[in-house]
Amino acid sequence: KNEVEQSPQNLTAQEGEFITINCSYSVGISALHWLQQHPGGGIVSLFMLSSGKKKHGRLIATINIQEKHSSLHITASHPRDSAVYICAAASYNTDKLIFGTGTRLQVFP
Amino acid sequence: DAGVTQSPTHLIKTRGQQVTLRCSPISGHKSVSWYQQVLGQGPQFIFQYYEKEERGRGNFPDRFSARQFPNYSSELNVNALLLGDSALYLCASIPVGASTDTQYFGPGTRLTVL
Repeated sequence: KNEVEQSPQNLTAQEGEFITINCSYSVGISALHWLQQHPGGGIVSLFMLSSGKKKHGRLIATINIQEKHSSLHITASHPRDSAVYICAAASYNTDKLIFGTGTRLQVFP
Repeated sequence: DAGVTQSPTHLIKTRGQQVTLRCSPISGHKSVSWYQQVLGQGPQFIFQYYEKEERGRGNFPDRFSARQFPNYSSELNVNALLLGDSALYLCASIPVGASTDTQYFGPGTRLTVL
């Protein structure tokens, strides 16, 4: 079992829909990162969370430390949101990032 | 300010050869991490360097090595290449290397081993 699990692996949506991507982890963490990867490989950091909730534009990230679970929400999805979304846990013991396998999101007009 | 730069962009090598990948972090950042991303998978941590010292190492064989220079740029070396080393190699620039720092990723180097 991977230390960081994401669901779903693939997600398709119509423009305007509300999107939720889930991340569960089994290690002790100091922070949880959400990243966006576009075709071609470029990765952009979206959020870094250690507790609670963060919002940036149409993106919202939440984390529940007790349940070892985080979610990334996209409100009013748009085709330009199409990308792979990756969560990564910063291990409390080793300080290194452990990545999930990513969720491939496609938003159709 | 320039972002994170990596070179080369693409590289094709044959089995048994050696390769050197380069990364220049954001100005003022003192830490660099290297990741390997095999097609269809999430990135895997290879190394982290901070102030020219190795700070962490992932589960990779000794064929993988790295170093960081006084200007904080970094090189990743892979010896005796195997087909399974074909991947996107990502470098991340980190202000001081703490796990709670935001990591700024470069565009990656796509290595193909034939």
